[in-house]
This record gives sequence, C-alpha cells and structure tokens, in this order.
Amino acid sequence: AQSVTQPDIHITVSEGASLELRCNYSYGATPYLFWYVQSPGQGLQLLLKYFSGDTLVQGIKGFEAEFKRSQSSFNLRKPSVHWSDAAEYFCAVGLSGGYQKVTFGTGTKLQVIP
Amino acid sequence: DAGVTQSPTHLIKTRGQQVTLRCSPKSGHDTVSWYQQALGQGPQFIFQYYEEEERQRGNFPDRFSGHQFPNYSSELNVNALLLGDSALYLCASSPRGYEQYFGPGTRLTVT
Repeated sequence: AQSVTQPDIHITVSEGASLELRCNYSYGATPYLFWYVQSPGQGLQLLLKYFSGDTLVQGIKGFEAEFKRSQSSFNLRKPSVHWSDAAEYFCAVGLSGGYQKVTFGTGTKLQVIP
Repeated sequence: DAGVTQSPTHLIKTRGQQVTLRCSPKSGHDTVSWYQQALGQGPQFIFQYYEEEERQRGNFPDRFSGHQFPNYSSELNVNALLLGDSALYLCASSPRGYEQYFGPGTRLTVT
C-alpha cells in the first residue's frame, strides 16, 4: 500500500527566506505525486503535480518540487516566502492522476514571521 | 467556470442520526472522490465514484455510503452517526486519470 511521510509537523520561516518542505513516499511503482495547500477552514488547492518526465516541476504561487526516485522524495521549495504562504501543506501520492485513491501525508503547518 | 461545490457548508447532528452531504463536480469531470479530514489530520480517502459505481473504497465502515448521479454529482451518506464522525468532509472531482480538484468541504459536528 502506498504511504506518505511528512516529517515536519510545523515549520517557521521569516518572510523573504527560502522554504523547503519534505515529503517521502512509499510505493512500489512510479507514483503520481502532488502537493496541496490548505488555508484554515478551507478546501485543498493543488500547487503542483508530477506524473512523468522532467523531475523538477513548477507550480502555482512560485512553488516548485523535485522528484528524486533514489530517495523516494518529492520536496516542495520556494525561494522567497511571502506572509500569505502561511497555511498547511499536504503531500500526496496516487496510483494514477485521479482514477484511484490518493493517499495524503499528515501535513506541515507553515508559519511565516515578519 | 465553477469549481467543485459542496453543500451544506456546516452541519450539526446528534449521535445516532443520519446525514447526507452533496457535491457537484467541476465542469467536465466525471469522477468524484470523498475524503474525511479530522482536525489536525490529513484527508483520509473514503471512496470514489465513476460511471455511477463505487470504484475504490478506503477503510471506512458500511455506515458510510454514497451515490453518483447521471450528471456526475454525488452524495455521501453516513448512518448512525458517532462523535468520531465529526470532521471536514471533502469532495474532489477529476477527469478520469488526472489530478483531483477539491471543494471547500462540509464541516460536520456530531454532538
């Protein structure tokens, strides 16, 4: 069964600093990988996805993620964090884009300080 | 283009009651999935509907059931509510084989 680990429950960064959120997955075949963001009391917004091809994927709001098969990782990065990025971030893995279930990690809550 | 919509936004029920939550998928999407998100947790997959049939199911009891209509909209039904069913219920839609787009969720409180 697929699983996702987000080792950091809570991260605090200063506005303007760089950000990296970690994600490790467990799945036997090539996974479909996603990062979602959730603001308090809201649904989830898709930031970016990896299905195949270039292992560095660009998303919305200036985010990017890199798929590293050898490390079973799909870390999310942003070079300069804005106060509006404060939210909870979820990494997820699926068997295919949307035809099978998606398994989510437990999330990383990002706090941005001035 | 409207995104995924869910109703109601909030709901308060008593233990033992039954509840029905509704979801309208994004235009052009034919697959609907339901998730339960308890406070402080990631979403947990309940089940997925495609062509009006349940295609995949997570580790949820039979008290959780669903339906998909010919227009692709969907309902989630929960019977014999327990306090532990209190959560945010998220609906996600997708065109077959692609990423899922989530609705704003329904906050269910069981007292």
